[in-house]
Amino acid sequence: AQKITQTQPGMFVQEKEAVTLDCTYDTSDPSYGLFWYKQPSSGEMIFLIYQGSYDQQNATEGRYSLNFQKARKSANLVISASQLGDSAMYFCAMREIGQAGTALIFGKGTTLSVSS
Amino acid sequence: NAGVTQTPKFRVLKTGQSMTLLCAQDMNHEYMYWYRQDPGMGLRLIHYSVGEGTTAKGEVPDGYNVSRLKKQNFLLGLESAAPSQTSVYFCASRDGLASGSAGQYFGPGTRLTVT
Repeated sequence: AQKITQTQPGMFVQEKEAVTLDCTYDTSDPSYGLFWYKQPSSGEMIFLIYQGSYDQQNATEGRYSLNFQKARKSANLVISASQLGDSAMYFCAMREIGQAGTALIFGKGTTLSVSS
Repeated sequence: NAGVTQTPKFRVLKTGQSMTLLCAQDMNHEYMYWYRQDPGMGLRLIHYSVGEGTTAKGEVPDGYNVSRLKKQNFLLGLESAAPSQTSVYFCASRDGLASGSAGQYFGPGTRLTVT
């Protein structure tokens, strides 16, 4: 069964510093996608970044990058130059692409606190 | 284009009462999902639908029923609410024709308390 593990319940970082949020996954499907979502205190789920299992390059979206290490089954989110507005809960998620309609499976999340 | 909407936003129920949560999307998406979010547990899939008239069980389906009579609507029902169903409920949808990179569009959530 597919599984997502986020081992850091909380992370603390100062403004302008970089931070890495860890995510490991487990799946037997060779075709899958990895996602990161941000959930601020207001509660909405905001899509940040996607990495496909066959993508050769690590995904980047502005200050977000995904450090994809396929052999280790890890998909860590790197946030460069942290901002106060980055304080939120972050979820790693995965979908096995082989079957139609499959849902995202989420990790338990990491709470990021950015201080000035 | 409202995206994914959920009704109601908040609700308090007494144990044993029933209610229906409505999810509506205006993006013509094939796939729709219901999740619940509990502290420290992340989002867990309750039920999902791959098209009008179809539904399937997710990770935590017990105590819930769903229906997808119209493509744009996905209803989540609680027949006899229990305190363990106190949670935040999220609906999501996704385009069936999109590539694997297509993320799920989430509704704003419904905060349900069962006393």
